[in-house]
Amino acid sequence: ETGVTQTPRHLVMGMTNKKSLKCEQHLGHNAMYWYKQSAKKPLELMFVYNFKEQTENNSVPSRFSPECPNSSHLFLHLHTLQPEDSALYLCASSQADFNSPLHFGNGTRLTVT
Amino acid sequence: GDSVTQMEGPVTLSEEAFLTINCTYTATGYPSLFWYVQYPGEGLQLLLKATKADDKGSNKGFEATYRKETTSFHLEKGSVQVSDSAVYFCALRGNEKLTFGTGTRLTIIP
Repeated sequence: ETGVTQTPRHLVMGMTNKKSLKCEQHLGHNAMYWYKQSAKKPLELMFVYNFKEQTENNSVPSRFSPECPNSSHLFLHLHTLQPEDSALYLCASSQADFNSPLHFGNGTRLTVT
Repeated sequence: GDSVTQMEGPVTLSEEAFLTINCTYTATGYPSLFWYVQYPGEGLQLLLKATKADDKGSNKGFEATYRKETTSFHLEKGSVQVSDSAVYFCALRGNEKLTFGTGTRLTIIP
């Protein structure tokens, strides 16, 4: 039990589908993050939310749409994805101060066909 | 901007060997430094951290010392086990953003 739960663990979707990834944290943190992990590339920060407000959008294409309804839940809505979007999507949470480490979920393995 | 450079993998060692994974960084100000570990099929877990110069982080037999003069945070373990096989990420956090290295895959053979 990591304290950060992501669902689903695996997702296969076609390029015309719409799906959502869900993340929930039970750690009382006030910042949440989406990262993309692709083979042979550094982790890519996609979005950051502090106290439910989006504070960073790292030039992510609009086919990825985040939603943070409260400080415990984070969603990533997906539509008209491309095969190169296939990756492991990791959610993380932390306290807002920069000495605090991030706590990660186990990720959603996304395959776009 | 901030950046982290860590040694390319993969690294393969025999059980009980000494491990060093090099990590150097570039950052403005005084970042906090971290090592994360990712076991197969899982997300990243914090392994250890150091928040100021000369601090030593340690956990599960792993150690790393925050060296400001050489801008380094090398990960070491005196005697590795098969269960240490994983991908190791060096990271720094300045202000808000956490910047990761590319990861080093470590395989320990019995």
